Amino acid sequence: GAGVSQSPSNKVTEKGKDVELRCDPISGHTALYWYRQRLGQGLEFLIYFQGNSAPDKSGLPSDRFSAERTGESVSTLTIQRTQQEDSAVYLCASSLGPASGNTIYFGEGSWLTVV
Amino acid sequence: AQSVAQPEDQVNVAEGNPLTVKCTYSVSGNPYLFWYVQYPNRGLQFLLKYITGDNLVKGSYGFEAEFNKSQTSFHLKKPSALVSDSALYFCAVRVGYNQGGKLIFGQGTELSVKP
Repeated sequence: GAGVSQSPSNKVTEKGKDVELRCDPISGHTALYWYRQRLGQGLEFLIYFQGNSAPDKSGLPSDRFSAERTGESVSTLTIQRTQQEDSAVYLCASSLGPASGNTIYFGEGSWLTVV
Repeated sequence: AQSVAQPEDQVNVAEGNPLTVKCTYSVSGNPYLFWYVQYPNRGLQFLLKYITGDNLVKGSYGFEAEFNKSQTSFHLKKPSALVSDSALYFCAVRVGYNQGGKLIFGQGTELSVKP
């Protein structure tokens, strides 16, 4: 597609339920990133995928968070047993590669509300 | 560690006046600097980047940024502000390839342009 596509755009879930967020990167982009943005706060790095290399999971806040990516395509971010503090917008981004000069492009985000 | 600081939480400007949104950085090695804009309830949109070369970088929507190595700054500027420029602006530095090339963001600056 023309840009990074994320779904769902909005999700309201009950505390304790699992949620799955999907990201479809720009075609040909090998690098994929997930960020979290809590209300009124900055962007927090969660996880990074590059091609078939092992992902960098250093930003995942707890073991309730996990993510997968199939090759160089779609990625899913899963949050198990959601808590109210998980309420945030989850932004996916992609880039041609991890080289510093490449631009990282963001999707519109998945807005998660845990009630 | 690499970091970015945006010293102003909010900037208020009258329409038609020049605007500046400040950003300073701390990196080891060459800095790769980016500006993004976030409109309400939207994802991040890329504005411009500095990789190398001219210190004055031009970007989307009439924005430009000036890279100053001695002051470790990368301030965003626009000669004449529009009400539609009102948004949240993020400065970011991209870490090196061996660290996954992820973006480290400042906390953001809320720009308000009044008619």
